[in-house]
Amino acid sequence: AQSVTQPDIHITVSEGASLELRCNYSYGATPYLFWYVQSPGQGLQLLLKYFSGDTLVQGIKGFEAEFKRSQSSFNLRKPSVHWSDAAEYFCAAYNNNDMRFGAGTRLTVKP
Amino acid sequence: ETGVTQTPRHLVMGMTNKKSLKCEQHLGHNAMYWYKQSAKKPLELMFVYSLEERVENNSVPSRFSPECPNSSHLFLHLHTLQPEDSALYLCASSQDRGSYEQYFGPGTRLTVT
Repeated sequence: AQSVTQPDIHITVSEGASLELRCNYSYGATPYLFWYVQSPGQGLQLLLKYFSGDTLVQGIKGFEAEFKRSQSSFNLRKPSVHWSDAAEYFCAAYNNNDMRFGAGTRLTVKP
Repeated sequence: ETGVTQTPRHLVMGMTNKKSLKCEQHLGHNAMYWYKQSAKKPLELMFVYSLEERVENNSVPSRFSPECPNSSHLFLHLHTLQPEDSALYLCASSQDRGSYEQYFGPGTRLTVT
């Protein structure tokens, strides 16, 4: 069955430290891949997306993600986290009119 | 006003009440969606409308009744809900049903007592 998995429910990093959030997908063919961010009390905002081509994609707010076909992964990274990055992050995959989301990873940023 | 708006932002209702959630998009999109977001679970797609016609209904109980009077407005009518229906209900829109870039509203936090 098609699915998106985010193995980490909650991650805490110090401000200024690097960040990597994991995402794995299970699809017969490579889907389109997305990362969304949800701040408290807000809807989801698209950070970046991957359709094809260059496997390292740049997004808004200094985020990037790398697609690795061999690992069925699409991990989100940021070199230096800011306190305002504290939020919930969702990985999503789209294939054949079907959009599926992971359960989310909550990011806490320590001062 | 731009983007996708939802009202009310918070709603508390008893199990015998009838209420409605409203979503409005100002993006000129043709497809609109209702999602249910429960804690620690993936977003669950409930309904999809394309050009005001319902194109998908993912086995949602009949106590949830959607309505799409035009391409800019989407409602979710609620009646005789259960406590387990308490969740954040998100509305989204996209240019077309086949468009993968969805724009989300801020959600309605629903509590059923």
